[in-house]
Amino acid sequence: DIQLTQSPSFLSASVGDRVTITCRASQGISSYLAWYQQKPGKAPKLLIYAASTLQSGVPSRFSGSGSGTEFTLTISSLQPEDFATYYCQQLNSYPRTFGPGTKVDIK
Amino acid sequence: EVQLVESGGGLVKPGGSLRLSCAASGFTFSSYSMNWVRQAPGKGLEWVSSISSSSSYIYYADSVKGRFTISRDNAKNSLYLQMNSLRAEDTAVYYCAREVVTLRSYYFDYWGQGTLVTVSS
Repeated sequence: DIQLTQSPSFLSASVGDRVTITCRASQGISSYLAWYQQKPGKAPKLLIYAASTLQSGVPSRFSGSGSGTEFTLTISSLQPEDFATYYCQQLNSYPRTFGPGTKVDIK
Repeated sequence: EVQLVESGGGLVKPGGSLRLSCAASGFTFSSYSMNWVRQAPGKGLEWVSSISSSSSYIYYADSVKGRFTISRDNAKNSLYLQMNSLRAEDTAVYYCAREVVTLRSYYFDYWGQGTLVTVSS
């Protein structure tokens, strides 16, 4: 099975900050990686797929990059509504594993 | 508008069974693979099972293999998860999610609101 790690697991930031979250896969997954945002009590929301493609309706301050085993999610200027937990997911093979999550909190 | 609505959650004793349903609307259900994903209280997301559009391909997480069965009824636009031999560690919110499959990408673009399953004596 492919394992995903995320760093950091917790991030404290201020509105306007540039934030970067890293996701690493235990083996190469090409670009079969998605990023999701989840707020408390809500279902996850798709942000990025195919490592770098922005889902329709998602603000352009979100971007993704990477391929193979290392990927990043960047929020160029953190907004109040961005405080949430972010998960990466690999879709290269089954099981469709998720990373452990990165919680972005208000500094 | 795409909608996925889960139902069937509740409190069940260890060793018991439960059947979850996911009612889909707003899209051609028979054209999409579907998934179940769960989230234990205060924990991260865990993929549970996938079923292809025509039910030809089915996959399970090792943690549920042999106990859970995914199925779908394209005529009723519905996805199901039959859960048997339930354990305390199966306690979670269960989400159904639509999967988009293209030549170059896969992703879960729509999710239901989730249904809570609690396994406790």
